[in-house]
Amino acid sequence: EVQLVQSGAEVKKPGESLRISCKGSGYSFTSYWISWVRQMPGKGLEWMGRIDPSDSYTNYSPSFQGHVTISADKSISTAYLQWSSLKASDTAMYYCARQEYSSSASFDYWGQGTLVTVSS
Amino acid sequence: SYVLTQPPSVSVAPGKTARITCGGNNIGSKSVHWYQQKPGQAPVLVIYYDSDRPSGIPERFSGSNSGNTATLTISRVEAGDEADYYCQVWDSSSDHQVFGGGTKLTVL
Repeated sequence: EVQLVQSGAEVKKPGESLRISCKGSGYSFTSYWISWVRQMPGKGLEWMGRIDPSDSYTNYSPSFQGHVTISADKSISTAYLQWSSLKASDTAMYYCARQEYSSSASFDYWGQGTLVTVSS
Repeated sequence: SYVLTQPPSVSVAPGKTARITCGGNNIGSKSVHWYQQKPGQAPVLVIYYDSDRPSGIPERFSGSNSGNTATLTISRVEAGDEADYYCQVWDSSSDHQVFGGGTKLTVL
């Protein structure tokens, strides 16, 4: 069974750093890309960027480039999303999603989401 | 950047047909995917490559794509179909994924 299991909810203060994770199982982790998707409270889905776990090639949305870093450790089938300095506006639910090796492919499996709350 | 436009809300009576549109410039030349998101849950893929259904998705869900509009059609709507629905495409000019703003389906 394909699963993407994300790390638990986080509460942080502005300026703090954070890394959340997404562990894949039930499939070959390096045969699919992983994307991260943000959903702010009461809002829609926003694509943040993706990584190819086989070579760690990344592609970011301009809206998130420079503010977050996407990485992966293929040895433990885990992708990461990290911030070096959080802002209150980073408060959101973050999902990872799997995509076949094709940019036009769908996101066929999603993680359960990680809620990040940034508040002083 | 490529923009996808969805109506904010669609309402339909149980047993009727709901149609949710996704507008974009020449979207018919792109592959469109649709996701269902119920409150407090992660999105679920319901239609991929315009009109294909993943296993486990009822035949009541169908999709089409032509010209400047893609459409998700839900036949014989049930109360359990009440959710937010999002369309998604790949913008080849920027190599970025794009989501529509989402449509809240209300079953009356």
